[in-house]
Amino acid sequence: DVKVTQSSRYLVKRTGEKVFLECVQDMDHENMFWYRQDPGLGLRLIYFSYDVKMKEKGDIPEGYSVSREKKERFSLILESASTNQTSMYLCASSRRTLYGANVLTFGAGSRLTVL
Amino acid sequence: DAKTTQPNSMESNEEEPVHLPCNHSTISGTDYIHWYRQLPSQGPEYVIHGLTSNVNNRMASLAIAEDRKSSTLILHRATLRDAAVYYCILDGSARQLTFGSGTQLTVLP
Repeated sequence: DVKVTQSSRYLVKRTGEKVFLECVQDMDHENMFWYRQDPGLGLRLIYFSYDVKMKEKGDIPEGYSVSREKKERFSLILESASTNQTSMYLCASSRRTLYGANVLTFGAGSRLTVL
Repeated sequence: DAKTTQPNSMESNEEEPVHLPCNHSTISGTDYIHWYRQLPSQGPEYVIHGLTSNVNNRMASLAIAEDRKSSTLILHRATLRDAAVYYCILDGSARQLTFGSGTQLTVLP
């Protein structure tokens, strides 16, 4: 069974802490994505990566950075967590295609609370 | 980015068909239409996608209008396990999918 695994299901952090959210996929997918999901706002794309060491900003990159040192792993970093980053974070991956049959496989999500 | 419009919520009775509509009037010629659903406390899961022709798989059917400005996801016999938020998304050449707020489907026993 193919999988996208997010390292933590629930995290509680304090304002100003550095936070790492890890995502690993076992499908040899080229593309990986980080979304956040908030009530009434749907899923919003933070960053995505279409190759190792490559990254592109999504719709809401401010306050976040990412790292993709290996094909299977995509990390989301909050350099200094703030309360407005309390959210559900979702990682996804997909195989590279020439045109948009870009089928995503999502992880179960990481719910982050920043106090 | 091309956008989609869906109703905020819909209700269906168990074991009856459900037709979930989606409008995408600004769709471009190479945009695929994707549907995902999100069950409570889970990440979204892929349901179906298509380009021009109607598509069927074990989960659902996708009916695409001839002008491609709208589409309908069809669940042939709704079960209580189909209660979820359903997202209609356009996938073009940007390699990223933009999710809207989706349609909350309630299935009544």
